[in-house]
Amino acid sequence: DAMVIQNPRYQVTQFGKPVTLSCSQTLNHNVMYWYQQKSSQAPKLLFHYYDKDFNNEADTPDNFQSRRPNTSFCFLDIRSPGLGDAAMYLCATRDGPPGGNQPQHFGDGTRLSIL
Amino acid sequence: DAKTTQPNSMESNEEEPVHLPCNHSTISGTDYIHWYRQLPSQGPEYVIHGLTSNVNNRMASLAIAEDRKSSTLILHRATLRDAAVYYCIHSIQGAQKLVFGQGTRLTINP
Repeated sequence: DAMVIQNPRYQVTQFGKPVTLSCSQTLNHNVMYWYQQKSSQAPKLLFHYYDKDFNNEADTPDNFQSRRPNTSFCFLDIRSPGLGDAAMYLCATRDGPPGGNQPQHFGDGTRLSIL
Repeated sequence: DAKTTQPNSMESNEEEPVHLPCNHSTISGTDYIHWYRQLPSQGPEYVIHGLTSNVNNRMASLAIAEDRKSSTLILHRATLRDAAVYYCIHSIQGAQKLVFGQGTRLTINP
């Protein structure tokens, strides 16, 4: 059974039209991550939540925002998508204290296309 | 960010062992080595991680050099389902995040 669920698997939006990607987890993990993976590249961390504490990577564009209303759900909001934002967006979770080395559990991603 | 070096691609045959190397020369004493793999059209999947000693689990073994500047992921008997991109990640203690390098694309021949 899927433990980190990303919906939809495929999302199409128009240039400049806001889009929200969602992630839910059944693991009750306290840390949730969002990664961007462009074609033939490695995943790149955008930001993460440790419980309700938001941690943004220094090079994450301002266009990308996130919300975590509760433990189970996390959202990625792209305010004005550009063509360069077309990518696979991966959500992951981890349990444990800050700096811990517990494995991350990934969803299968949402592939975002920009028309 | 911590940097690892892996071959871009490797090829092996089904039912043979596979040794995937990784260099992490900047690793410090408390940093762990993690391996993840990503099958086509899926998110990355945890494989194994370790600090100093060699580690075994149901998926693979991790052999860590004595100076910890390199490690090898060992798949004991490759199957076609092991074809994936394998990422070696050197996580910085306390950083709470993984920085993925380019990984090794493993091809398994029938």
